Amino acid sequence: DAKTTQPNSMESNEEEPVHLPCNHSTISGTDYIHWYRQLPSQGPEYVIHGLTSNVNNRMASLAIAEDRKSSTLILHRATLRDAAVYYCILRADRGSTLGRLYFGRGTQLTVWP
Amino acid sequence: DTAVSQTPKYLVTQMGNDKSIKCEQNLGHDTMYWYKQDSKKFLKIMFSYNNKELIINETVPNRFSPKSPDKAHLNLHINSLELGDSAVYFCASSQRWDDNNSPLHFGNGTRLTVT
Repeated sequence: DAKTTQPNSMESNEEEPVHLPCNHSTISGTDYIHWYRQLPSQGPEYVIHGLTSNVNNRMASLAIAEDRKSSTLILHRATLRDAAVYYCILRADRGSTLGRLYFGRGTQLTVWP
Repeated sequence: DTAVSQTPKYLVTQMGNDKSIKCEQNLGHDTMYWYKQDSKKFLKIMFSYNNKELIINETVPNRFSPKSPDKAHLNLHINSLELGDSAVYFCASSQRWDDNNSPLHFGNGTRLTVT
């Protein structure tokens, strides 16, 4: 069900930028790209989403390739609290999978002090 | 104030028992969900209700029965518990189920252990 590919793990130092990649080569024209993260012993937390254009919010930035076959979640200054599993998810805008989030394995981000 | 709250946080029970997990959201959202995270950490959608009506049933065994008394509550009842039901169950809500600009808000989960 998960149609995205992410590295299993990444590491960063505190206060450095982090670029988390995601490949979604089979994305359809109506799929939105969503990012959630899951901190230890907590439920998933929404981070950001986009369709075609790059997006910024208080948590992160989302850079979407022109062909939409890949995207990158950017944490501008990693903190220890950002250590989590980050999920890149394609969310359909219509059809039989409407309303569903299909989570893959995600990327485990480790942040070193 | 917790936006999406689940009770209990932990649930340990024996095979064959019947148990319920409760979920409440105070965000005023129309849609609520149940997701299951298994031992390999995969998160999978189980059910979704919109304004008390079932809109998503993702091929879950009939032993699982969700109930939504009102749009702020979605409970999950499980009959005849099996070892394979051991998992963390997450409740979530969103303003709308069919709008990509409506992110999901998750609770902190209920860890169910069946012995």
